[in-house]
Amino acid sequence: DGGITQSPKYLFRKEGQNVTLSCEQNLNHDAMYWYRQDPGQGLRLIYYSQIVNDFQKGDIAEGYSVSREKKESFPLTVTSAQKNPTAFYLCASSTPERTGARPQYFGPGTRLTVL
Amino acid sequence: QKEVEQNSGPLSVPEGAIASLNCTYSDRGSQSFFWYRQYSGKSPELIMFIYSNGDKEDGRFTAQLNKASQYVSLLIRDSQPSDSATYLCAGVSGGYQKVTFGIGTKLQVIP
Repeated sequence: DGGITQSPKYLFRKEGQNVTLSCEQNLNHDAMYWYRQDPGQGLRLIYYSQIVNDFQKGDIAEGYSVSREKKESFPLTVTSAQKNPTAFYLCASSTPERTGARPQYFGPGTRLTVL
Repeated sequence: QKEVEQNSGPLSVPEGAIASLNCTYSDRGSQSFFWYRQYSGKSPELIMFIYSNGDKEDGRFTAQLNKASQYVSLLIRDSQPSDSATYLCAGVSGGYQKVTFGIGTKLQVIP
């Protein structure tokens, strides 16, 4: 089955720890994205990558880091510098459709809680 | 600040009725729009996208786009309890296809 997988589904972090969230896709999509979702707020873009070995900061990149060494993988590290990391983290990928539109498809998400 | 605005709801409709979900956007350069459905605790699922003025139909769903009024809507015909979810509107603009999401409208279909 083609799709986007994220792991773990739930993650608990202690204060001061770095944690890495996994995102893998086998859709052959070129672009990948990380968002966080907080109650009462829209999805906010953390980082995105259009091609391998290249990525750009989104609207709320502080306290996060990413890598894109393979087309299929786009892991997100939540560092201890992120002041309020408790949130639902969503990975997405996209590729141009025949129409030129580029809809994003989401993985199942990782729910991160800081203890 | 480029924004996509939605009423957070909840919007309550009886089973079998038409649910109308609305979205306005501030960026006139927005090129296309997506509607996502998100069940509680789950990730967003793409329902439809639209990039031309007018209507686009897919089964019970119809997306409408009016670029002059900067208005996008999603109609759900014959609403079912299983349609109860939060519906996210998203607009795309910019060279790298930046997507801006609204906060979502919660829809409740009452049996």
